Amino acid sequence: NAGVTQTPKFQVLKTGQSMTLQCAQDMNHNSMYWYRQDPGMGLRLIYYSASEGTTDKGEVPNGYNVSRLNKREFSLRLESAAPSQTSVYFCASSEVGGYTGELFFGEGSRLTVL
Amino acid sequence: AQKVTQAQTEISVVEKEDVTLDCVYETRDTTYYLFWYKQPPSGELVFLIRRNSFDEQNEISGRYSWNFQKSTSSFNFTITASQVVDSAVYFCALSTAGAGSYQLTFGKGTKLSVIP
Repeated sequence: NAGVTQTPKFQVLKTGQSMTLQCAQDMNHNSMYWYRQDPGMGLRLIYYSASEGTTDKGEVPNGYNVSRLNKREFSLRLESAAPSQTSVYFCASSEVGGYTGELFFGEGSRLTVL
Repeated sequence: AQKVTQAQTEISVVEKEDVTLDCVYETRDTTYYLFWYKQPPSGELVFLIRRNSFDEQNEISGRYSWNFQKSTSSFNFTITASQVVDSAVYFCALSTAGAGSYQLTFGKGTKLSVIP
């Protein structure tokens, strides 16, 4: 049982380049999320998808787009990367109907924008 | 809006000392969940505990214990007899169910260093 899988684990981009972070979960969860983590800032929600076919902005959505490709997959795209997007990105999933509201996290993707 | 405050940015203790990590939260929802996650130097987020807003019982798990007090909106985490392996960043988080999904709001984290 892989849980939440993110790719790539590491990426270096030049300013203005584009890239997509991929995320897949095998827990049949309805909701998926993208967070970014910056030093001293904790984790901040970028976008989330409550269910297949829906996406909504979180706290820091500017400069990002997302696609909920199907129930398993939720991708995060940077169309024109900026140094301010240098961060560690975490994908997560949860089951709303469950008791806990617990999020299950991937291992993170470290992105550097030069 | 939800908010989680971890006032302690960094804490250093000597091995075997007890240490308490503070967490204060704000929410207008009556149903919510509180979490603690551990992030060791390897970077992954490790789930430690979850409490719901209707259960104020304290919990103990080995050397870890949690004190949930709704009256002060606090959910503090104590490590007894700390060990070097406890060195990590610890995040407190608050989850409420809105618009069909849970949104987890994190505090900024407390970096704990346990010195041998």
